[in-house]
Amino acid sequence: DGGITQSPKYLFRKEGQNVTLSCEQNLNHDAMYWYRQDPGQGLRLIYYSQIVNDFQKGDIAEGYSVSREKKESFPLTVTSAQKNPTAFYLCATQDRGSEKLFFGSGTQLSVL
Amino acid sequence: AQSVAQPEDQVNVAEGNPLTVKCTYSVSGNPYLFWYVQYPNRGLQFLLKYITGDNLVKGSYGFEAEFNKSQTSFHLKKPSALVSDSALYFCAVRGGNTPLVFGKGTRLSVIA
Repeated sequence: DGGITQSPKYLFRKEGQNVTLSCEQNLNHDAMYWYRQDPGQGLRLIYYSQIVNDFQKGDIAEGYSVSREKKESFPLTVTSAQKNPTAFYLCATQDRGSEKLFFGSGTQLSVL
Repeated sequence: AQSVAQPEDQVNVAEGNPLTVKCTYSVSGNPYLFWYVQYPNRGLQFLLKYITGDNLVKGSYGFEAEFNKSQTSFHLKKPSALVSDSALYFCAVRGGNTPLVFGKGTRLSVIA
């Protein structure tokens, strides 16, 4: 998990509230990803960014938003439109040369 | 569309015995194949990859995987399992310039 910091580790959302998950990296990787993990469903791609100021929707982008203003940072906002937000959220970066993904230690989001 | 199937939700093996975790894939063009491991409440860690070359790929912690193009499989193997190998294992694939698609994961339990 070295080089990628996700915060907070645990987050609680109230009804109708937007919450933002932080992902910071010092690996100097261009590409960054957000995945959602639910038990028995594996990892599903929410959004990804190949370069600063650019990002694309993944398979389950509805109810989420992102920004990529700096190379080091790729925050994910879970909006009130996401009706089932309880999940484990993982941020990853990709080393372009080796194709490897490097993951943060995750944020567990729960609904109050 | 690309996809990954991990047909077993759970694999149980006795310590010291060989282990196999199965993975089959579907992708257009040449596949880029990966195995990742996840320990409880952590992000994923890279184990090994196949992009080109020798069909038998060796990775971290004594794991290896065999790429079989005709069967579109990439099974993960280890000759002698350790209790510390107990974790959740993910197979992933991509074709061309697309993000990785992950399987649903297989929970490996190694019994002493």
